[in-house]
Amino acid sequence: KAGVTQTPRYLIKTRGQQVTLSCSPISGHRSVSWYQQTPGQGLQFLFEYFSETQRNKGNFPGRFSGRQFSNSRSEMNVSTLELGDSALYLCASSLALAGVGELFFGEGSRLTVL
Amino acid sequence: TQLLEQSPQFLSIQEGENLTVYCNSSSVFSSLQWYRQEPGEGPVLLVTVVTGGEVKKLKRLTFQFGDARKDSSLHITAAQPGDTGLYLCAGEGGGTSYGKLTFGQGTILTVHP
Repeated sequence: KAGVTQTPRYLIKTRGQQVTLSCSPISGHRSVSWYQQTPGQGLQFLFEYFSETQRNKGNFPGRFSGRQFSNSRSEMNVSTLELGDSALYLCASSLALAGVGELFFGEGSRLTVL
Repeated sequence: TQLLEQSPQFLSIQEGENLTVYCNSSSVFSSLQWYRQEPGEGPVLLVTVVTGGEVKKLKRLTFQFGDARKDSSLHITAAQPGDTGLYLCAGEGGGTSYGKLTFGQGTILTVHP
């Protein structure tokens, strides 16, 4: 079956702009999590959605937001981009109703902020 | 705040050598997962350990969860160039974690032919 699909794979933005990233989970997976990966901080949890509801949120400023649609597809948005937002943004889907379960990651969206 | 310290950060070895990667924390985790990530790809789950003292083997890879569920190790026997990659340990805090894993900083393993 198809894996987790993230679009776009690469994008370049300038400071102050905003960006929207998309994630299509594996069919049947209702939990979608987002992570930021940087060389300095590693992988850090952003938020998790299940059946269109945000169930968990990491320690990121309010500029980072997300949503999930009825078909389980998810988007995350970063407003007023800063240089430090340059990172690989990873989406993961899971069957887990509680906890974490087995996460299936997409290939990520690599964001460069100039 | 739960933290996971992973060591070593870098490991460069010759084909056929053995190696161990460590993952330590002062916090208790309900489970510990190990992932492998290759350049340009997302992490791929290798194993999940749940019970304190648990040992799991996956071909040449052996994973152990500490008795107190605060630490874990990954041992690779007779490493091969195909084992090259970034190895990540990740801990789950419990039933209300909802998608949240705490990741270690990772170990970049390079196996030379």
